[in-house]
Amino acid sequence: KAGVTQTPRYLIKTRGQQVTLSCSPISGHRSVSWYQQTPGQGLQFLFEYFSETQRNKGNFPGRFSGRQFSNSRSEMNVSTLELGDSALYLCASSLAGGPYEQYFGPGTRLTVT
Amino acid sequence: GIQVEQSPPDLILQEGANSTLRCNFSDSVNNLQWFHQNPWGQLINLFYIPSGTKQNGRLSATTVATERYSLLYISSSQTTDSGVYFCAPKTGTASKLTFGTGTRLQVTL
Repeated sequence: KAGVTQTPRYLIKTRGQQVTLSCSPISGHRSVSWYQQTPGQGLQFLFEYFSETQRNKGNFPGRFSGRQFSNSRSEMNVSTLELGDSALYLCASSLAGGPYEQYFGPGTRLTVT
Repeated sequence: GIQVEQSPPDLILQEGANSTLRCNFSDSVNNLQWFHQNPWGQLINLFYIPSGTKQNGRLSATTVATERYSLLYISSSQTTDSGVYFCAPKTGTASKLTFGTGTRLQVTL
């Protein structure tokens, strides 16, 4: 079974621009969660989508948004990029959220200049 | 929210040595996962262990949920074990994993 895939793997953007990251979960998984990893803050939860609905949201500004499609693929968007948004963005999928095991993709490394 | 503490923060071992990594958490959990983050940033699943003991080759893990800690044992370490190890417990019905700050392991020849 194919794992979680994320595109693009690397991205360089300029302050003020916006960016869209994509995540395809493991086949049959319906829950997708997003995490941000920075050297200063570590790994932090952004949000979770299940059946095309945002089910949980972490403590991030409204510039961070996401959505999930009917095939469970998910995208996250960051608008008006700031230097501090430079990070590794990781996506995880699980069967149905809740206590189920989560599997992570390889991540998208975003650099904001 | 739940607080997660991992120790030690850094560990240097010679190849062949054994080690124990600890994860303390502040609340009841219904899921706990251990991950190994490789140099390229990917989180590799090691164990899904909300309670009890599991073994996978040279690695084993124990979670004592009633005492709010989990241990990861690495035996006969190899250079490929180098990287950062995270524990991530979860509470409630949400999918949110709360990560510790990790243990950075370096295995030398």
